[in-house]
Order: sequence, then C-alpha cells, then structure tokens
Amino acid sequence: SQQGEEDPQALSIQEGENATMNCSYKTSINNLQWYRQNSGRGLVHLILIRSNEREKHSGRLRVTLDTSKKSSSLLITASRAADTASYFCAERGGSYIPTFGRGTSLIVHP
Amino acid sequence: GAGVSQSPSNKVTEKGKDVELRCDPISGHTALYWYRQRLGQGLEFLIYFQGNSAPDKSGLPSDRFSAERTGESVSTLTIQRTQQEDSAVYLCASSWGQSTQPQHFGDGTRLSIL
Repeated sequence: SQQGEEDPQALSIQEGENATMNCSYKTSINNLQWYRQNSGRGLVHLILIRSNEREKHSGRLRVTLDTSKKSSSLLITASRAADTASYFCAERGGSYIPTFGRGTSLIVHP
Repeated sequence: GAGVSQSPSNKVTEKGKDVELRCDPISGHTALYWYRQRLGQGLEFLIYFQGNSAPDKSGLPSDRFSAERTGESVSTLTIQRTQQEDSAVYLCASSWGQSTQPQHFGDGTRLSIL
C-alpha cells in the first residue's frame, strides 16, 4: 500500500499550545497536501508543499518537507479550540490520484 | 460560490437493496473523485473522472460498485445488493484536474446498512 501514515494518531493539547503532526510516505512525490476535517464534514484543503520546497507558511500553519526521509510535518501555532479536527496528509506522485493517510485527531481544550 | 454538494446526506437501507449517491461538483472542475471513509479511518479511493476520458475505476472494491459522470457535471455512485460492510461515509471531491490543484470536498453521504 502507498498509504502514508500520520503520527500521532491522536493529540490532546490546551488552547495556546502548539500542535505538531507528522506524515510519512513511501513513494516519490510531486507534492504533498494537508487537509482538515471537522466532525461530520468533508475535508478542507490547508496547504500544499511541492517536492522542491522545504518549508511553507500560511497564517498559523507551518509545513515542512524532508524528501530524504519521506516525511512532512504540520505545525499549528497558538492553537485554538476551533482547531479541533482531524488532519490528513495527501501525497501526490505521478498519478492524479492522491493517497491519503489515516489522519491525526487533534483536540484543543479551551 | 457554491461548493461540492452531495445528496442524500444520510441514507439508511436494508441489506441487499441498491443505493444511488449523487455528487454535484463545482462548476468548471474537470476532475471528480469518489472516496469511502470508514469510521475513524482515512480515505479509500474508489473512482476518478477526468473530463471525457475513461474513468480510473481501480479503487472500486467489487463489481457491486459503479459510477457514472456525464461530461463535467453530476456524478452518481451506485452500490448494488448492499452489504453491511458497505456502511461508511462516501465523499466526493472535485478539482481543476492538475495534481497541484487542491481538492474540494462535499460533506459526504453517511450510508448505514441494516
């Protein structure tokens, strides 16, 4: 299976703390995308990082990519209760079909 | 503008019945994907449509599953002779087609097989 894996599977933190989620993948990629899924809803795209990029920022989000280790991390700074959701990485290689990981469930306590 | 719309939002049916799920993609999006998400799990790819090209059906788990899309518009996913293991959320996503473009998801159809 080419499915990537997020780590940890679950993360529980207090509001104001930082949250770090990791994603490992198995094949060469063109880009890697991070998505958020609130309970009972579809996925929402957060950020895309290309294989030739090492770091990308968007607001309170910071994504890094290490192609030598086939891994990526998503950092959410100064977390809020509204950040409570599941977070998925999706690797995209030569195919138009992305491969999603199993996700990290983040709970931010107010 | 309007996002991806899926209907019904919930479907409860008896084992052995056929079900049809509908997806209205964002207007102009050439690519359309169907995924299955079991409780607490990631997304399992089912089928991919790109414009008028032949669909990629490599993710369909059995011949009970089929999907159609007319041009770049509505798609329907049909599950025949439903089984209890078909219970899941079925998500549809659309995009402009290039691999660098994000996917836009509907809120899914929650399918429960009794």
